[in-house]
Amino acid sequence: EVQLLNSGGGLVQPGGSLRLSCAGSGFTFSSYAMSWVRQAPGKGLEWISTISGTGDSTYYIDSVRGRFAISRDNSKSTVHLQMKSLRAEDTATYYCAKGLNPLHDTSYIDWWGQGTLVTVSS
Amino acid sequence: EIVLTQSPATLSLSPGERVTLSCRASQSIRSFLAWYQQKPGQAPRLLIYDASNRATGIPARFSGSGSGTDFTLTISSLEPEDFAVYYCQQRSNWPLTFGGGTKVEIK
Repeated sequence: EVQLLNSGGGLVQPGGSLRLSCAGSGFTFSSYAMSWVRQAPGKGLEWISTISGTGDSTYYIDSVRGRFAISRDNSKSTVHLQMKSLRAEDTATYYCAKGLNPLHDTSYIDWWGQGTLVTVSS
Repeated sequence: EIVLTQSPATLSLSPGERVTLSCRASQSIRSFLAWYQQKPGQAPRLLIYDASNRATGIPARFSGSGSGTDFTLTISSLEPEDFAVYYCQQRSNWPLTFGGGTKVEIK
Protein backbone atom coordinates (compact mmCIF):
# COMPACT_ATOMS: atom_id res chain seq x y z
CA GLU A 1 0.00 0.00 0.00
CA VAL A 2 1.11 3.54 -0.73
CA GLN A 3 2.33 5.48 2.29
CA LEU A 4 3.56 9.06 2.57
CA LEU A 5 5.12 10.01 5.89
CA ASN A 6 5.51 13.74 6.56
CA SER A 7 7.99 15.16 9.03
CA GLY A 8 9.63 18.43 9.94
CA GLY A 9 6.84 20.79 10.91
CA GLY A 10 6.72 22.99 13.99
CA LEU A 11 6.82 26.52 15.33
CA VAL A 12 9.13 29.04 13.67
CA GLN A 13 9.53 32.79 14.00
CA PRO A 14 8.72 35.14 11.13
CA GLY A 15 11.69 35.31 8.79
CA GLY A 16 12.86 31.88 9.86
CA SER A 17 13.41 28.67 7.94
CA LEU A 18 12.09 25.14 8.10
CA ARG A 19 12.57 21.98 6.07
CA LEU A 20 9.76 19.52 5.51
CA SER A 21 10.37 15.96 4.39
CA CYS A 22 8.18 13.21 3.07
CA ALA A 23 9.11 9.56 2.70
CA GLY A 24 7.19 7.54 0.16
CA SER A 25 6.73 3.79 -0.05
CA GLY A 26 4.55 1.23 -1.80
CA PHE A 27 5.02 2.67 -5.30
CA THR A 28 7.77 3.36 -7.85
CA PHE A 29 8.72 6.72 -6.38
CA SER A 30 10.77 8.01 -9.30
CA SER A 31 7.88 7.55 -11.74
CA TYR A 32 5.59 10.08 -10.10
CA ALA A 33 5.57 13.81 -9.70
CA MET A 34 5.28 14.82 -6.07
CA SER A 35 3.61 17.92 -4.73
CA TRP A 36 3.10 19.94 -1.60
CA VAL A 37 -0.36 21.28 -0.81
CA ARG A 38 -1.16 23.39 2.23
CA GLN A 39 -4.25 24.26 4.18
CA ALA A 40 -4.42 27.23 6.51
CA PRO A 41 -6.47 26.65 9.68
CA GLY A 42 -10.16 26.54 8.78
CA LYS A 43 -9.45 27.34 5.13
CA GLY A 44 -9.34 25.54 1.80
CA LEU A 45 -6.62 23.71 -0.07
CA GLU A 46 -3.77 25.53 -1.80
CA TRP A 47 -1.29 23.85 -4.15
CA ILE A 48 2.16 25.31 -3.63
CA SER A 49 4.75 23.21 -5.48
CA THR A 50 5.37 20.17 -7.69
CA ILE A 51 8.54 18.38 -8.73
CA SER A 52 8.72 16.00 -11.68
CA GLY A 53 9.62 12.34 -11.22
CA THR A 54 13.18 12.89 -12.37
CA GLY A 55 13.52 16.09 -10.38
CA ASP A 56 14.41 18.06 -13.51
CA SER A 57 11.32 20.26 -13.43
CA THR A 58 9.87 22.24 -10.56
CA TYR A 59 6.79 24.42 -10.31
CA TYR A 60 5.71 26.94 -7.68
CA ILE A 61 2.81 29.18 -6.83
CA ASP A 62 3.87 32.83 -7.07
CA SER A 63 3.49 33.50 -3.34
CA VAL A 64 6.29 31.06 -2.45
CA ARG A 65 8.55 31.26 -5.50
CA GLY A 66 12.00 32.40 -4.41
CA ARG A 67 11.32 31.51 -0.76
CA PHE A 68 10.51 27.79 -0.98
CA ALA A 69 12.47 25.09 -2.79
CA ILE A 70 11.22 21.62 -3.58
CA SER A 71 13.67 18.76 -4.12
CA ARG A 72 13.70 14.98 -4.17
CA ASP A 73 16.08 12.10 -3.59
CA ASN A 74 14.80 9.14 -5.58
CA SER A 75 17.43 6.85 -4.08
CA LYS A 76 15.76 7.41 -0.69
CA SER A 77 12.19 7.88 -1.98
CA THR A 78 11.94 11.23 -0.28
CA VAL A 79 10.78 14.69 -1.24
CA HIS A 80 11.64 17.86 0.64
CA LEU A 81 10.33 21.39 0.92
CA GLN A 82 12.88 23.92 2.12
CA MET A 83 11.07 27.01 3.35
CA LYS A 84 12.78 30.30 4.18
CA SER A 85 11.71 33.88 4.90
CA LEU A 86 8.59 32.44 6.47
CA ARG A 87 5.60 34.70 7.05
CA ALA A 88 2.57 34.48 9.29
CA GLU A 89 0.45 33.71 6.22
CA ASP A 90 2.50 30.54 5.64
CA THR A 91 0.94 29.04 8.76
CA ALA A 92 -0.84 25.91 7.60
CA THR A 93 -0.91 22.15 7.55
CA TYR A 94 1.40 21.02 4.77
CA TYR A 95 0.55 17.84 2.89
CA CYS A 96 2.96 15.84 0.79
CA ALA A 97 1.07 14.42 -2.17
CA LYS A 98 1.57 11.86 -4.94
CA GLY A 99 0.44 12.43 -8.50
CA LEU A 100 -2.14 10.09 -9.98
CA ASN A 101 -0.58 9.75 -13.42
CA PRO A 102 2.96 8.40 -13.80
CA LEU A 103 5.30 10.63 -15.77
CA HIS A 104 2.82 13.55 -15.84
CA ASP A 105 3.93 16.66 -14.01
CA THR A 106 0.47 18.21 -13.99
CA SER A 107 -1.68 15.77 -12.17
CA TYR A 108 -4.37 15.08 -9.71
CA ILE A 109 -3.46 13.73 -6.30
CA ASP A 110 -4.34 10.18 -5.37
CA TRP A 111 -2.40 9.83 -2.11
CA TRP A 112 -1.79 12.35 0.61
CA GLY A 113 0.51 12.33 3.61
CA GLN A 114 -0.91 12.82 7.06
CA GLY A 115 0.00 16.50 7.04
CA THR A 116 2.41 18.44 9.19
CA LEU A 117 1.56 21.72 10.91
CA VAL A 118 3.80 24.72 10.34
CA THR A 119 3.15 27.68 12.63
CA VAL A 120 4.87 30.97 11.91
CA SER A 121 4.63 33.18 14.96
CA SER A 122 6.77 35.21 17.32
CA GLU B 1 -4.35 31.69 -13.02
CA ILE B 2 -7.51 29.65 -13.46
CA VAL B 3 -10.04 30.42 -10.75
CA LEU B 4 -12.45 27.68 -9.73
CA THR B 5 -15.68 28.86 -8.14
CA GLN B 6 -17.71 26.30 -6.19
CA SER B 7 -21.34 26.70 -5.29
CA PRO B 8 -23.08 26.68 -2.99
CA ALA B 9 -20.69 27.24 -0.09
CA THR B 10 -22.83 25.10 2.21
CA LEU B 11 -25.59 22.58 1.67
CA SER B 12 -27.82 21.27 4.46
CA LEU B 13 -29.28 17.92 3.54
CA SER B 14 -30.64 14.71 4.98
CA PRO B 15 -29.33 11.16 4.43
CA GLY B 16 -30.85 9.62 1.31
CA GLU B 17 -31.14 12.91 -0.56
CA ARG B 18 -29.56 13.54 -3.93
CA VAL B 19 -26.96 16.28 -4.02
CA THR B 20 -25.44 18.24 -6.88
CA LEU B 21 -22.34 20.36 -6.38
CA SER B 22 -21.09 22.88 -8.92
CA CYS B 23 -17.61 23.98 -9.95
CA ARG B 24 -17.10 26.70 -12.55
CA ALA B 25 -13.74 27.53 -14.12
CA SER B 26 -12.72 31.04 -15.18
CA GLN B 27 -11.63 29.66 -18.57
CA SER B 28 -11.88 26.36 -20.38
CA ILE B 29 -10.05 23.49 -18.71
CA ARG B 30 -11.40 20.85 -21.10
CA SER B 31 -12.02 17.83 -18.85
CA PHE B 32 -9.01 18.32 -16.56
CA LEU B 33 -10.95 18.49 -13.33
CA ALA B 34 -10.95 16.40 -10.17
CA TRP B 35 -13.14 16.24 -7.09
CA TYR B 36 -11.96 15.53 -3.56
CA GLN B 37 -13.72 14.84 -0.28
CA GLN B 38 -12.26 16.02 3.02
CA LYS B 39 -13.49 15.16 6.49
CA PRO B 40 -12.41 17.04 9.63
CA GLY B 41 -8.89 16.20 10.71
CA GLN B 42 -8.23 14.07 7.62
CA ALA B 43 -6.37 14.50 4.38
CA PRO B 44 -8.49 14.88 1.24
CA ARG B 45 -9.52 11.82 -0.76
CA LEU B 46 -9.69 11.71 -4.55
CA LEU B 47 -13.20 10.91 -5.77
CA ILE B 48 -13.33 11.80 -9.46
CA TYR B 49 -10.67 12.67 -12.03
CA ASP B 50 -10.82 13.89 -15.62
CA ALA B 51 -14.32 15.19 -14.81
CA SER B 52 -16.11 11.85 -14.84
CA ASN B 53 -13.81 8.97 -13.89
CA ARG B 54 -14.26 7.48 -10.43
CA ALA B 55 -11.03 6.88 -8.55
CA THR B 56 -10.18 3.46 -7.20
CA GLY B 57 -12.55 2.30 -4.50
CA ILE B 58 -15.04 5.15 -4.83
CA PRO B 59 -18.69 4.05 -4.59
CA ALA B 60 -20.92 4.28 -7.65
CA ARG B 61 -23.18 6.83 -5.93
CA PHE B 62 -20.53 9.44 -6.75
CA SER B 63 -20.50 10.68 -10.32
CA GLY B 64 -19.00 13.63 -12.14
CA SER B 65 -19.86 15.41 -15.34
CA GLY B 66 -19.03 18.49 -17.38
CA SER B 67 -16.37 19.92 -19.63
CA GLY B 68 -15.04 23.32 -20.59
CA THR B 69 -15.97 25.62 -17.72
CA ASP B 70 -18.92 23.96 -15.95
CA PHE B 71 -18.66 20.82 -13.87
CA THR B 72 -20.89 18.89 -11.50
CA LEU B 73 -20.37 16.33 -8.77
CA THR B 74 -23.47 14.31 -7.97
CA ILE B 75 -24.08 12.04 -5.01
CA SER B 76 -27.14 9.99 -5.87
CA SER B 77 -28.19 9.19 -2.31
CA LEU B 78 -26.35 10.67 0.65
CA GLU B 79 -24.88 8.24 3.15
CA PRO B 80 -23.99 9.38 6.69
CA GLU B 81 -20.28 9.16 5.84
CA ASP B 82 -20.69 11.58 2.91
CA PHE B 83 -21.10 14.66 5.10
CA ALA B 84 -17.86 16.47 4.44
CA VAL B 85 -16.27 19.29 2.45
CA TYR B 86 -15.84 18.78 -1.29
CA TYR B 87 -13.20 20.50 -3.42
CA CYS B 88 -12.63 20.65 -7.15
CA GLN B 89 -9.15 20.98 -8.67
CA GLN B 90 -7.90 21.68 -12.19
CA ARG B 91 -4.72 20.41 -13.81
CA SER B 92 -5.12 22.17 -17.14
CA ASN B 93 -2.68 24.99 -16.38
CA TRP B 94 -0.05 25.98 -13.86
CA PRO B 95 -0.60 26.91 -11.13
CA LEU B 96 -2.78 24.00 -10.17
CA THR B 97 -5.77 25.45 -8.39
CA PHE B 98 -8.53 24.30 -6.08
CA GLY B 99 -12.00 25.64 -5.63
CA GLY B 100 -13.01 27.14 -2.32
CA GLY B 101 -15.01 24.08 -1.30
CA THR B 102 -18.62 23.14 -0.62
CA LYS B 103 -19.56 21.89 2.82
CA VAL B 104 -22.29 19.25 2.87
CA GLU B 105 -23.78 19.22 6.34
CA ILE B 106 -26.52 17.30 8.05
CA LYS B 107 -29.86 19.07 8.09
